[in-house]
Amino acid sequence: QLQLQESGPGLVKPSETLSLICTVSGGSISSKSYYWAWIRQPPGKGLEWIGSIYYTGDTYYSPSLKSRVTISVDLPYNQFSLRLTSVTAADTALYYCARHGNPGYCTGGYCYGGRGDFDNWGQGTLVTVSS
Amino acid sequence: QSALTQPASVSGSPGQSITISCTGTSNDVGRYNYVSWYQQHPGKAPKVMIYDVNNRPSGVSNRFSGSKSGNTASLTISGLQAEDEADYYCSSYTITTSWVFGGGTKLTVV
Repeated sequence: QLQLQESGPGLVKPSETLSLICTVSGGSISSKSYYWAWIRQPPGKGLEWIGSIYYTGDTYYSPSLKSRVTISVDLPYNQFSLRLTSVTAADTALYYCARHGNPGYCTGGYCYGGRGDFDNWGQGTLVTVSS
Repeated sequence: QSALTQPASVSGSPGQSITISCTGTSNDVGRYNYVSWYQQHPGKAPKVMIYDVNNRPSGVSNRFSGSKSGNTASLTISGLQAEDEADYYCSSYTITTSWVFGGGTKLTVV
């Protein structure tokens, strides 16, 4: 059974860098069928996709966070990580790592043969930005 | 990209059916069949209930169904049960190779 577990500091100072790791167990992060994502949820608010990475290292980021986000993968450790720079109080949130389907072959603005859901989630880790 | 639009809240009585809408644009919901729905109980991680518009993962009750028309997707829950009370989020793939969520809908079973 696939399990994802987030880890990292629960408190980060304003202007510093938030760093989290997601450890995947019960399955390989090198699967061609899946991407690995970070999603966050501010207290009492909705879900926000931060970005995703494929086992090859290809990354896709939210346009609104792209300038501050880096997601990387560590295949030997079956982990992927998140770095978010220059954090403010607005970055305080529950951070989830999750697995999502490979959208498949995409061309001309359409995709074929893939799957598009976040089917496995970690339990989430709360990160508070405060001095 | 802008979040998909969902009603903030819906309610229903046990045994009734409810529908939650999720409105996007021709660049996300209207373009791809990669619309999914998530149920989130307080203090828990989201759980996928519907994927690729109208597919149920193994183990999800057939009381949950999904559909799409144009730029709007819908989640229908029939035979409402007390345990269905939760927050529900939709999600879609977008033309900019990104993912977007809806703002969430709080379902109350009264």
